[in-house]
Amino acid sequence: DQQVKQNSPSLSVQEGRISILNCDYTNSMFDYFLWYKKYPAEGPTFLISISSIKDKNEDGRFTVFLNKSAKHLSLHIVPSQPGDSAVYFCASRSGGGADGLTFGKGTHLIIQP
Amino acid sequence: GAGVSQSPSNKVTEKGKDVELRCDPISGHTALYWYRQSLGQGLEFLIYFQGNSAPDKSGLPSDRFSAERTGGSVSTLTIQRTQQEDSAVYLCASSEDRDQPQHFGDGTRLSIL
Repeated sequence: DQQVKQNSPSLSVQEGRISILNCDYTNSMFDYFLWYKKYPAEGPTFLISISSIKDKNEDGRFTVFLNKSAKHLSLHIVPSQPGDSAVYFCASRSGGGADGLTFGKGTHLIIQP
Repeated sequence: GAGVSQSPSNKVTEKGKDVELRCDPISGHTALYWYRQSLGQGLEFLIYFQGNSAPDKSGLPSDRFSAERTGGSVSTLTIQRTQQEDSAVYLCASSEDRDQPQHFGDGTRLSIL
């Protein structure tokens, strides 16, 4: 039973446009959400996070939006750059439960020139 | 400063052998985590250490898996009597404490023949 779902295995976006990566979760106990970026043969790199008390967090070109009622979060990258091509993982943590993160299966973002 | 360091980067071994994977967290990080990523899957949480103690070992896949952390720093993940389904990338992460983002190493790619 997947508690964190990334329904798009891949996404292709033209350079300079906005990339929108989506993530849905089922566990209402999740209180902290993160996005990681991963290149082949490397570990995931932390990008941005958001606490459940907020609905938006912005860091440079990256913005994460959280819709608690819909149990949905999204990562917006604007403008998209070639170096953004990677696999993006959504992750969540439960405030009252296990201390590890629950990850989605990832979305492969491809930025086309 | 140095990031999370894992060794070996690759390990190929025969079914039935024991393997030991090592993780050096970022200096000063009290929280340490082990995950594994099987082919085509997201990251699966295995175990968390706060200091030297692991409050919950239920995420370990079987009793062939064990982990320890000594001196609040280096951690080892041991898999006894390896099976082919143990083949995966094993990732270690650390954070300043459990409320901070986790930073990952590049993983150990384990292949069981």
